[in-house]
Amino acid sequence: GENVEQHPSTLSVQEGDSAVIKCTYSDSASNYFPWYKQELGKRPQLIIDIRSNVGEKKDQRIAVTLNKTAKHFSLHITETQPEDSAVYFCAASRDFGNEKLTFGTGTRLTIIP
Amino acid sequence: EPEVTQTPSHQVTQMGQEVILRCVPISNHLYFYWYRQILGQKVEFLVSFYNNEISEKSEIFDDQFSVERPDGSNFTLKIRSTKLEDSAMYFCASSFLEKAFFGQGTRLTVV
Repeated sequence: GENVEQHPSTLSVQEGDSAVIKCTYSDSASNYFPWYKQELGKRPQLIIDIRSNVGEKKDQRIAVTLNKTAKHFSLHITETQPEDSAVYFCAASRDFGNEKLTFGTGTRLTIIP
Repeated sequence: EPEVTQTPSHQVTQMGQEVILRCVPISNHLYFYWYRQILGQKVEFLVSFYNNEISEKSEIFDDQFSVERPDGSNFTLKIRSTKLEDSAMYFCASSFLEKAFFGQGTRLTVV
């Protein structure tokens, strides 16, 4: 089955700096890669996603890149703000998301004011 | 904006008791899921449900677990005889054309 590795497990950055979180996946049939943000005690919230036929996608301060050959994808947050502090999970799925999500182990991002 | 809703938000139960966790998926979604998250760990897939039947289940989803869509709106997860290790946050999710949206979760505590 699919295995998703995520690094780093914790990340602290100064407010205004950029943060990068990386994930690798094992199943070459995976074709959909969402990122979820989870604040303490709350639901995972979808913040951005990318399909395997796209190499990069951007939404304001957030971007995701995908390297299908290397089977890795990354989340980039620029101009970080205190409200970006949360746990971020990457995930992978087949069938463009209509199958189960396999999650990474999460990255606790702390923005230092 | 439509949301997945779950009830109850917190359930405490004695070991060996049956619990039913309830979910109302987003109305036009076709795929339904249950996931669980043990405190401080990653979200783990339990089961997916499509067209009124289970489409996939994980190793965690053993004979103690069952799912049902009793009517057009609710989606339930039943644990027949709870164990201490079932203590976790249980999330329902639904999807349509790839994006999966999660409910706010039910925190299940087995004592």
